[in-house]
Amino acid sequence: GESVGLHLPTLSVQEGDNSIINCAYSNSASDYFIWYKQESGKGPQFIIDIRSNMDKRQGQRVTVLLNKTVKHLSLQIAATQPGDSAVYFCAENRGKTSYDKVIFGPGTSLSVIP
Amino acid sequence: SQTIHQWPATLVQPVGSPLSLECTVEGTSNPNLYWYRQAAGRGLQLLFYSVGIGQISSEVPQNLSASRPQDRQFILSSKKLLLSDSGFYLCAWSLRGLVNQPQHFGDGTRLSIL
Repeated sequence: GESVGLHLPTLSVQEGDNSIINCAYSNSASDYFIWYKQESGKGPQFIIDIRSNMDKRQGQRVTVLLNKTVKHLSLQIAATQPGDSAVYFCAENRGKTSYDKVIFGPGTSLSVIP
Repeated sequence: SQTIHQWPATLVQPVGSPLSLECTVEGTSNPNLYWYRQAAGRGLQLLFYSVGIGQISSEVPQNLSASRPQDRQFILSSKKLLLSDSGFYLCAWSLRGLVNQPQHFGDGTRLSIL
C-alpha cells in the first residue's frame, strides 16, 4: 500500500553534532515533500520542503535530500542544539486535487544530549 | 503574516456531552482548511478538509462533524462524545489554488473524555 514511514522511531544526538533523520516513501508519483517539527504540546511547525525536480534544498542549519531512485528522504540538522529536541515528521503531498492531501509519517523523536 | 488560532487549548468533557472546537485563520483569504487528530505517539490523521464556505469533505467515518460558516473559520463538533474521541486535535490551513503548498498548523486542542 501507499505509505510514508521513518526508518528510526528515536534518535539521540550529542549537542553540536549533526543529526540525520530518514524517511522512506512508497508512492513514486509523489512530487512534493515536507518536513515538520513538533514540540511537546504544540502543533507541527513547517521546517523545509522540496519538490521532486530537486535533489537537495538547504535552509538555515537544515538540509533536505531527496533520492527518487530509492524513494528516500532525509533531513540533516547541522550543529544540533537542545532546542532541536522534538518529533520530526516527513510528509508526502499528493496534491493534484483541489486541496493539499498530505500523508504524514509516524515521526522520529530527536533527543539532544547536552 | 498569517496566523492560525485554535481554542480551547485543553478540554475535559464527559462521555455523551457535545463538543465544539473552533479554529480561525488571519492574514489570508480563501484558504483550504483542515482538521486532524493525533493519537499519543502517532502521526496525524486527516478528519475533514474544506475548500470553501459550507464545503466540507470527510476523510473517515466518525462521530464528529465539521462546519465552515465563514471563510476563515472552521469548527469541529460532536453531538455526543465517545471515549474514543480523546486525542489531540489540530487545525491547519494552506493556500488555495496553488499546488504543492505546505499546510500550517495551529497549536491544537488536547481533548480528554471521561
